Amino acid sequence: AQKITQTQPGMFVQEKEAVTLDCTYDTSDPSYGLFWYKQPSSGEMIFLIYQGSYDQQNATEGRYSLNFQKARKSANLVISASQLGDSAMYFCAMAFRVGGTSYGKLTFGQGTILTVHP
Amino acid sequence: EAQVTQNPRYLITVTGKKLTVTCSQNMNHEYMSWYRQDPGLGLRQIYYSMNVEVTDKGDVPEGYKVSRKEKRNFPLILESPSPNQTSLYFCASSARGAYEQYFGPGTRLTVT
Repeated sequence: AQKITQTQPGMFVQEKEAVTLDCTYDTSDPSYGLFWYKQPSSGEMIFLIYQGSYDQQNATEGRYSLNFQKARKSANLVISASQLGDSAMYFCAMAFRVGGTSYGKLTFGQGTILTVHP
Repeated sequence: EAQVTQNPRYLITVTGKKLTVTCSQNMNHEYMSWYRQDPGLGLRQIYYSMNVEVTDKGDVPEGYKVSRKEKRNFPLILESPSPNQTSLYFCASSARGAYEQYFGPGTRLTVT
């Protein structure tokens, strides 16, 4: 069965510093996608970054990068130069393609609450 | 503006009173799904739909029904709500071949 684990219930970081949010996953399927979502206190789910299992390079999106270590089955999110607005819940998720096309069900971890201090 | 909308955003109801949470997307997406979010459990999929008239169960389908009569709409029906269905509900959609799933703003449901 597929499983996503986020072992850090809460993390604190000083403004302008970098922070790493941990995520490990478990699957025997060779083809999958890994995702990070941000959920601010307002509640909406904001897509941050995606990594395909066959992608050779780590994904980056602005201040976000995904440290993908396939052999260790980890997909950590790195946020550089933290900002106060980064304070939120962060979810790691995994999905598989359905019908050979779109990704289907997202399996989510428990989430990590990030607090950025001024 | 490309978006997924849900209504209502907040709902307090009583046990056994049937309710429907609507979900609509304006991006012509084929894939739509419903999730519920509970503290400490992350989000879990309730039902999904690959296209019109094609729906299937997710991880936690008990107590819920869905239908997909039009491509843009995917309502979630609770025929006889119970307190354990108190949760935050999200609708999501994605296009064929895409990886990003777009989420609606969420519906906070309380069943007393």
